[in-house]
Amino acid sequence: AQSVTQLDSQVPVFEEAPVELRCNYSSSVSVYLFWYVQYPNQGLQLLLKYLSGSTLVKGINGFEAEFNKSQTSFHLRKPSVHISDTAEYFCAVRKNTGGFKTIFGAGTRLFVKA
Amino acid sequence: DSGVTQTPKHLITATGQRVTLRCSPRSGDLSVYWYQQSLDQGLQFLIQYYNGEERAKGNILERFSAQQFPDLHSELNLSSLELGDSALYFCASSASGGFTDTQYFGPGTRLTVL
Repeated sequence: AQSVTQLDSQVPVFEEAPVELRCNYSSSVSVYLFWYVQYPNQGLQLLLKYLSGSTLVKGINGFEAEFNKSQTSFHLRKPSVHISDTAEYFCAVRKNTGGFKTIFGAGTRLFVKA
Repeated sequence: DSGVTQTPKHLITATGQRVTLRCSPRSGDLSVYWYQQSLDQGLQFLIQYYNGEERAKGNILERFSAQQFPDLHSELNLSSLELGDSALYFCASSASGGFTDTQYFGPGTRLTVL
């Protein structure tokens, strides 16, 4: 079975500061990894995904994430955040064999302060 | 705008009742997914359809059922509703339903069971 742990439920940060949202996963099989963003009263939007290849993945809105297989982590980073980045961020894993199932973390609320 | 539409946006009903949530996927997408987002359980995958056929099942209760019609829209039926069914229900769609597919989420239907 797969599981996802987002280590911080809330992350407050000042505008233009860097941010890292942490995600650890466990799985007995190979997985694909995803980060989604959910703005208030909206559905989820894909930020980026890791399928294979380079462990550094670049996504939309200036976000990037690094896959670390030995530490089973997939942390999300942005070098300089904006007020508009205030949202809930979800890390997710999807196994690459067998039945389709995406497991989501509990979410991290990023709050960007002026 | 993801291109996925869901109706209704809000639904308020009583315990024991039955409701139907509707989803229209993005143009050209063959696969539809349903998710439930609640405060206590987080975001959970319920079920996936591909071109009218059920492809994968997640944590979907027996009181819930879904189907995908020939025009590819999907409906999620929730019956014998309980207070704990109050949640945000998301529909997502993807091109082929494969493991590497990007899923596009609709804005959700907020269900309140009183």
